[in-house]
Order: sequence, then C-alpha cells, then structure tokens
Amino acid sequence: DVKVTQSSRYLVKRTGEKVFLECVQDMDHENMFWYRQDPGLGLRLIYFSYDVKMKEKGDIPEGYSVSREKKERFSLILESASTNQTSMYLCASTPLGGYNQPQHFGDGTRLSIL
Amino acid sequence: DQQVKQNSPSLSVQEGRISILNCDYTNSMFDYFLWYKKYPAEGPTFLISISSIKDKNEDGRFTVFLNKSAKHLSLHIVPSQPGDSAVYFCAAEETSGSRLTFGEGTQLTVNP
Repeated sequence: DVKVTQSSRYLVKRTGEKVFLECVQDMDHENMFWYRQDPGLGLRLIYFSYDVKMKEKGDIPEGYSVSREKKERFSLILESASTNQTSMYLCASTPLGGYNQPQHFGDGTRLSIL
Repeated sequence: DQQVKQNSPSLSVQEGRISILNCDYTNSMFDYFLWYKKYPAEGPTFLISISSIKDKNEDGRFTVFLNKSAKHLSLHIVPSQPGDSAVYFCAAEETSGSRLTFGEGTQLTVNP
C-alpha cells in the first residue's frame, strides 16, 4: 500500500512566521501535490511537482513556495504566514504519468495561524 | 471559475436506502473522473473512478454513472450504511496530465 506521511497532524503558528510542512511518500512516485481544503471550497491545488527540483504552480500559489530536493519528499513553505492561510493542508502522490491513476493522500495537517 | 461543482453541500439518508451524490463539470477536456471519501481528521481515500469511454462503473455497493452530453456524473451507494457517513468529493482530470480538479464536497449522513 502507498504510504503518504505528513509530519504534523496539528500545527499552530504566529502571523509572520516562516512555516514548513513536510510530506514523504514511500512508493517512489514521481508526482507529488499540495492542496488546501476549506469548507465549501473543496480541495484546491497549491503546487505540484513532476520530478526532483521541478515545480509547477497550481490554482492558488500566492503566499506559498515548495521544495523537492529528494524524490520522496515534498515540502510546502509559507514564507510569511497570515491568518487566511489557516486551513487543512493535504499532500498527495501518483506514479510517473499519473494519468488515469488515483492520487494517494496523506492524513493532512491542520494549520492554525494566530 | 468552478469547473467541477457539487451543488448539494449535504445529504441525509436512512440506513439500507440508496444514496445518490451528484457532480457537474464544465470543462470538455475532462475525461477521467474519480470519487473520494473523506472522514474527519483523515486524508481523502479513493473510492471509484470512471473513464469517459464508459457510462457506468460498478464496485460492490458503489456505482458511478457518467452522462457526457450533460456533463454530469453521479455516485450511487446501495445499500447505504452508517459507516458511509463522510464527505464525498468528485474530481476530474484532463487528457493532458495528472492534476485533478475537485468539487466542493457533499457531506453524507446515513442514519441508523
């Protein structure tokens, strides 16, 4: 079974802090994704990556950046956290190509910015 | 511009009855559709999918129907069980790549 692990289940940070959310997958998948989930808005794609050191902007990249130094690890960075970034963050992965294959998700990180 | 829409935020059904969750899309380039189930404090888990070359796909109690001309898909759960209570997300993928576009989700509650 694919295992996608997000480092923290719950996180509380302060406005202006730099925040790192980590995601690791154990299935050697090339594609990795970061989403945020908000009530009434579903899952919205922030950034994704097709390979090491490659990144593509999703639908809502503003205020975020990402890092993919190793194939199994994809980090989401909030450069200067703001209260409107309080949300549930979800990481997912699929193998190369990924087309017609479901994404596998981690359990999420509930991030609160105070 | 919401390309995938789930117009019902919530649905309540009795145990043993049928649950029907609906999803509409606007992008004609979508050709692969998925349903995910999500419990609180867990990540979404894949439930069932359908390619645009089909109009129906069945897996146990779960059936997905696709009406391409109407740009509409639905998920049928028969019979519904209390453990099915969760948020259900519809998602769609274009021919060109592996990124998914999600709907807003529908909270299903199955009452014993």
